[in-house]
Amino acid sequence: DAGITQSPRHKVTETGTPVTLRCHQTENHRYMYWYRQDPGHGLRLIHYSYGVKDTDKGEVSDGYSVSRSKTEDFLLTLESATSSQTSVYFCAIRRQGAGVMNTEAFFGQGTRLTVV
Amino acid sequence: AQTVTQSQPEMSVQEAETVTLSCTYDTSENNYYLFWYKQPPSRQMILVIRQEAYKQQNATENRFSVNFQKAAKSFSLKISDSQLGDTAMYFCAFSHGSGNTGKLIFGQGTTLQVKP
Repeated sequence: DAGITQSPRHKVTETGTPVTLRCHQTENHRYMYWYRQDPGHGLRLIHYSYGVKDTDKGEVSDGYSVSRSKTEDFLLTLESATSSQTSVYFCAIRRQGAGVMNTEAFFGQGTRLTVV
Repeated sequence: AQTVTQSQPEMSVQEAETVTLSCTYDTSENNYYLFWYKQPPSRQMILVIRQEAYKQQNATENRFSVNFQKAAKSFSLKISDSQLGDTAMYFCAFSHGSGNTGKLIFGQGTTLQVKP
């Protein structure tokens, strides 16, 4: 499982409330990602990080912020949750092999977030 | 912008038979990676197979193989001797080669049901 833990695994929250999802890794990987999965869209990148305090936006970053103060933790925050943010959220890390060409992404178990 | 298209929302196959899932993509790059991920009902994202664009030889992993047609921008997945445990949603994904941030662009997914 590449040592990735997402918390919580399930959450129901009300519209307008702040929500923070946590991704924790135990293998000291540099790159971490947050994706959301919605029917008909596959997975789409929200934000990613390439090191402590180094983050960048993905395809669907509006309404989301991230922080990475330690290598092992990557937090995703919904400042004011909306119903359109009801989704399954996946954290991923990139495990780099012996050469630059040998990279693979490994995913956490996912968090199902429902905004009511 | 790169796009990945899976035109088959749902497919079914009889146990022990062979099935092929289609994927096309659009890119102007010459160096990139392609992946197939499996998502069973447990929701876990599992890497099935990977193809580097600079390699002409099609990748194989046990019962899973790909047909990579670079000029046609096609990357299909063939599952031989289908098993009940192959029932899952399958995602095709693209990753840039240059820069190599590891960001993935996913297709919409194909739900595969293996029937006994």
